[in-house]
Amino acid sequence: RKEVEQDPGPFNVPEGATVAFNCTYSNSASQSFFWYRQDCRKEPKLLMSVYSSGNEDGRFTAQLNRASQYISLLIRDSKLSDSATYLCVVTSPGDKIIFGKGTRLHILP
Amino acid sequence: DAGVIQSPRHEVTEMGQEVTLRCKPISGHNSLFWYRQTMMRGLELLIYFNNNVPIDDSGMPEDRFSAKMPNASFSTLKIQPSEPRDSAVYFCASRGTSGANVLTFGAGSRLTVL
Repeated sequence: RKEVEQDPGPFNVPEGATVAFNCTYSNSASQSFFWYRQDCRKEPKLLMSVYSSGNEDGRFTAQLNRASQYISLLIRDSKLSDSATYLCVVTSPGDKIIFGKGTRLHILP
Repeated sequence: DAGVIQSPRHEVTEMGQEVTLRCKPISGHNSLFWYRQTMMRGLELLIYFNNNVPIDDSGMPEDRFSAKMPNASFSTLKIQPSEPRDSAVYFCASRGTSGANVLTFGAGSRLTVL
């Protein structure tokens, strides 16, 4: 089983819709969790951290389910500018920071 | 803050040649990570350093790859000899001491080995 797994997509979603994707991780001792965003031919950039209690940043909501070992990202009222690849990131014991392969999102006008 | 600086941004070389990629982390950051990204394999962690010391190099594909961090402001990733399958974007990222575990990436070095 891969350490971090994501549905590669692409998710093609009309502008204004709500979209959600999940990410699963294999190491139950993983310590911290993040979502990064990567635009085409650019470097990954932090979108938001993911906390056990769940957290929200504007139109974005991230949640962590430790029992089932997955994290989720919900985007409400999607914008054209949300089109990107979303990378799930997990920090395992030993301080390794592991990235999923990403989920591609296309927001359609 | 200039961010993480990588060079070269693009490199095209022939199989068998030595390639050296360079990274300057954000000043004050004490951890540095090298990743490789391809369409097939995504972002793979190659090696990371804490306080200039290599901590985990289990992701380095083979002996042709080596990385050094002689001081807190500079790191290199070297491939010798290079092969076409090494073609990828190589990212360097640094992390501060705040405990937040957040990485800041450089713009990447796009390597093409012919």
